[in-house]
Amino acid sequence: DIQVTQSPSSVSASVGDRVTITCRASQEIGNWLAWYQQKPGKAPRLLIYTASNLQSGVPSRFSGSGSGTDFTLTISSLQPEDVATYFCQEGNIVPYTFGQGTKLEIK
Amino acid sequence: QVQLQESGPGLVKPSETLSLICNVSDASVSSKTLYWSWIRQPPGKEPEWIGHIYDGGKTLYNPSLKSRVTISVDTSKSQFSLNLNSVTAADTAVYYCSRIKAIKGGLWFRYFFDSWGQGTLVTVSS
Repeated sequence: DIQVTQSPSSVSASVGDRVTITCRASQEIGNWLAWYQQKPGKAPRLLIYTASNLQSGVPSRFSGSGSGTDFTLTISSLQPEDVATYFCQEGNIVPYTFGQGTKLEIK
Repeated sequence: QVQLQESGPGLVKPSETLSLICNVSDASVSSKTLYWSWIRQPPGKEPEWIGHIYDGGKTLYNPSLKSRVTISVDTSKSQFSLNLNSVTAADTAVYYCSRIKAIKGGLWFRYFFDSWGQGTLVTVSS
């Protein structure tokens, strides 16, 4: 199985800050990576697919980059409603593993 | 916009079979171009893909669960279902049904999960 490791496991930032979360795959996966946002008690929401494509309806402050083994999710200007846990997911090989999550809080 | 809704028992006894149904609205479960998945998330952990069904009945399963899982589709009711047998406490989780965003790259499709049900908590306990 491909392992996907996120860092940090938690981050605290102020409204308006730029926030970056990283995901590293244990082997090359091209650009076959997605990012999800999950708020407490809710289902995950797809934000980014194929590393950098913004899902319809997702605010443009969210962006993704990377290829191969190293990927980044960036929130350009943190908003209060962005408080959530963020997961990456590799879509290349069964079993399409999710990262362990990054919990984002507001300072 | 597609809507998905899970239903089924919230409590299952160890060694028994977990059975869930996902009702799909505003999309066809029999479509050759749409894929439908089950995903679970143990409390406080990351999601885990269980398997998916496509093209009217073809399936692909997580190897770690393959011996215990069956996913099937009922096109007359616009629903697909999950059966997981011989459950233990380790199968306690929120179970989600999801539509897959299948993207072709080269010879193969790759999969992401673009619409989700609200999820249903299933606890395995005697």
